Amino acid sequence: GIQVEQSPPDLILQEGANSTLRCNFSDSVNNLQWFHQNPWGQLINLFYIPSGTKQNGRLSATTVATERYSLLYISSSQTTDSGVYFCAVDYTGTASKLTFGTGTRLQVTL
Amino acid sequence: DTAVSQTPKYLVTQMGNDKSIKCEQNLGHDTMYWYKQDSKKFLKIMFSYNNKELIINETVPNRFSPKSPDKAHLNLHINSLELGDSAVYFCASSQGEFYEQYFGPGTRLTVT
Repeated sequence: GIQVEQSPPDLILQEGANSTLRCNFSDSVNNLQWFHQNPWGQLINLFYIPSGTKQNGRLSATTVATERYSLLYISSSQTTDSGVYFCAVDYTGTASKLTFGTGTRLQVTL
Repeated sequence: DTAVSQTPKYLVTQMGNDKSIKCEQNLGHDTMYWYKQDSKKFLKIMFSYNNKELIINETVPNRFSPKSPDKAHLNLHINSLELGDSAVYFCASSQGEFYEQYFGPGTRLTVT
């Protein structure tokens, strides 16, 4: 099956700092989503981005499907950004199912 | 007006019992899923249904039986619960396969 790798596994930032999270995948995909799992365990949709670039406030994401990676940018981080960020892909040739990466755990401190 | 809801939110039970988790979505989607998140936060697909038909059963023990009475509901019944079933179970839905999936709040199952 497809491999989904995220880096870094852990990240500690001071409030106001910027960061880039990376997701590499090993096969062609139909769908790529970024999620934030907050400290209460809720999975929040950030982006549906099988290709191209999207922005939503302080967050933006870019997927380069031909090179099999996606990047999530967080600017001016806030303590509420803390949690685990997951990349998940739905790859070509199978029935729909998201395969998740192992996540990046982000802690934003004051 | 929660989009994808699950009940119960927490479930604590003893080994050997049978339990059910319910999921409902009000998004008008035709595809629904169950995912399991283990203690290391790893998320994995269990089942998916499209228009009430099972399309994925990802090598899940047959103690787990999903049921979709209609397109808006996908329930998960678990027989003879084991310690290893302790996890958070998430329901999700999408409009068609390969489109954006929306997740419910999760059900934390603890088997003692």
